Amino acid sequence: DTAVSQTPKYLVTQMGNDKSIKCEQNLGHDTMYWYKQDSKKFLKIMFSYNNKELIINETVPNRFSPKSPDKAHLNLHINSLELGDSAVYFCACELSGSSYEQYFGPGTRLTVT
Amino acid sequence: GNSVTQMEGPVTLSEEAFLTINCTYTATGYPSLFWYVQYPGEGLQLLLKATKADDKGSNKGFEATYRKETTSFHLEKGSVQVSDSAVYFCALNSGGSNYKLTFGKGTLLTVNP
Repeated sequence: DTAVSQTPKYLVTQMGNDKSIKCEQNLGHDTMYWYKQDSKKFLKIMFSYNNKELIINETVPNRFSPKSPDKAHLNLHINSLELGDSAVYFCACELSGSSYEQYFGPGTRLTVT
Repeated sequence: GNSVTQMEGPVTLSEEAFLTINCTYTATGYPSLFWYVQYPGEGLQLLLKATKADDKGSNKGFEATYRKETTSFHLEKGSVQVSDSAVYFCALNSGGSNYKLTFGKGTLLTVNP
């Protein structure tokens, strides 16, 4: 069983479209994250949810909207996609009080043309 | 705020060579320190961690010691293998109001046979 799964693994779309990336974790963790990794491998945190509540919202354009329907899922919806949104997006989860150890999904490579 | 500085790559070594990847940090309080590894086309995996000063994290032949006096957490391995080729990230989390992982920029390691 995959601990943290993301769908789709690859996403190619045109500018201006709206798309979603889904994340599910089966570890029973209460905190979930979205990260963006650029072409130089630099990782930037975007959002964090704890028990379905948003606790971190970095300076991300409001075209990006996370949604957490339950503790096991954290989806990322992106409106009006731009070329600069092309990146690999990682979902991660963490159990509060576990020395801050995070478990990452395999990533979704988004390409905007 | 928190920050992590790790040596710029890429690092290219021959098999069985000794590896050191330097990492220094700036943080409030007493952070937990981590090394994550990202193999090609995959998500990040926790390699090792240390939660307090003088702790040594170790895994798969890799080691790093939490040095509070020098604010460092250098990654070492005595004899690298081709399969160690990956991007290595140093990270910290100090909890509290800054409850998130802060990553270094990553160091690409290539090991040649």
